[in-house]
Amino acid sequence: AQKITQTQPGMFVQEKEAVTLDCTYDTSDPSYGLFWYKQPSSGEMIFLIYQGSYDQQNATEGRYSLNFQKARKSANLVISASQLGDSAMYFCAMRAFSGGYNKLIFGAGTRLAVHP
Amino acid sequence: DGGITQSPKYLFRKEGQNVTLSCEQNLNHDAMYWYRQDPGQGLRLIYYSQIVNDFQKGDIAEGYSVSREKKESFPLTVTSAQKNPTAFYLCASSMSGTGGELFFGEGSRLTVL
Repeated sequence: AQKITQTQPGMFVQEKEAVTLDCTYDTSDPSYGLFWYKQPSSGEMIFLIYQGSYDQQNATEGRYSLNFQKARKSANLVISASQLGDSAMYFCAMRAFSGGYNKLIFGAGTRLAVHP
Repeated sequence: DGGITQSPKYLFRKEGQNVTLSCEQNLNHDAMYWYRQDPGQGLRLIYYSQIVNDFQKGDIAEGYSVSREKKESFPLTVTSAQKNPTAFYLCASSMSGTGGELFFGEGSRLTVL
């Protein structure tokens, strides 16, 4: 079964420190993509970072980096130098091929609180 | 600016009534999606469409219907058959159905009274 698991319902971090949000996935497809999205309290989903299953290097986008460990099937998000505006829900997602079509499967999310 | 517009942002409905949520995109994307989000949970796929005049059921399609008559538009109807329709609904699009990130609208919050 294709599945995304986020085991941390909530995390908190001190401003300016780094934080890691965990994500593990399950798929038997050799080709897949992994995404992280941020959802502030306003509700919109903001794309943060993407990692393809064949990418050799870990993806990075500014303060965001994805720690991709293919053998362990994990794709953790690392946020460096946390800011108060980073407080939000964070979702890990996987593009999976199912029923003849590609679709995005989401985890349950992790709520991050950044403290001053 | 290009983007996805959902309307209305907030909607109240009496039990037994159908309601239609609008989703319009001007990104020239082929694929469009509807997700449902319940409090404290992730997103669950309702319907998706990879091209005009074609759409497929997602994981929780019962009680919902969609149409895709134009590339830009993918309205979702929440029917009276949906047993628990109170939720936050998010529309998304992607350049194609085979790759690339999803771009999301700001969501529609439906409350059944």
